Amino acid sequence: DAKTTQPPSMDCAEGRAANLPCNHSTISGNEYVYWYRQIHSQGPQYIIHGLKNNETNEMASLIITEDRKSSTLILPHATLRDTAVYYCIVGVGSWGKFQFGAGTQVVVTP
Amino acid sequence: DGGITQSPKYLFRKEGQNVTLSCEQNLNHDAMYWYRQDPGQGLRLIYYSQIVNDFQKGDIAEGYSVSREKKESFPLTVTSAQKNPTAFYLCASSQTEISYEQYFGPGTRLTVT
Repeated sequence: DAKTTQPPSMDCAEGRAANLPCNHSTISGNEYVYWYRQIHSQGPQYIIHGLKNNETNEMASLIITEDRKSSTLILPHATLRDTAVYYCIVGVGSWGKFQFGAGTQVVVTP
Repeated sequence: DGGITQSPKYLFRKEGQNVTLSCEQNLNHDAMYWYRQDPGQGLRLIYYSQIVNDFQKGDIAEGYSVSREKKESFPLTVTSAQKNPTAFYLCASSQTEISYEQYFGPGTRLTVT
């Protein structure tokens, strides 16, 4: 499965949009992009996933570039409760083959 | 409420002792997973099970053992052979092994001294 590269940390002001980048330059044509987040000392939580098209749900939007080599998770109006580590994962098939990297620590400040 | 329970939340053991971490799910999911997380690190897969009475090693299975005798239960035993057992352990489940969403439990923080 493809590896991902994320910045180790980023800050965001409360109420502003948070744009979290992820590079996955070796992604193959059938691999999905998944985003999860982990609030401190809790289990990770699914946010969104996509293959080629941009996706939106009640939590976030996922923008995937046309060449699929990178993606951006957008939290439209960040709140203090969005402070967490965000993981970008790329893969297809069994979760037994997926890799969680170190993720991006997002801190939302008042 | 459906979900995954892990117990206990905190566990303390002496070096050389085996310890079993509990994971139960009432989501009727076929697949279950155990991950280990060290401070500042991502999750690493220890074992996973796609179906009852079957399981596969993940990336860091050495020093751990599991069983899957019931669909809802996937206990993890940390044996004395595990050299650095102190960590945060997370259990997860998914409808099938290829489902897009994994559901995670609250985790067990194991400290071995």
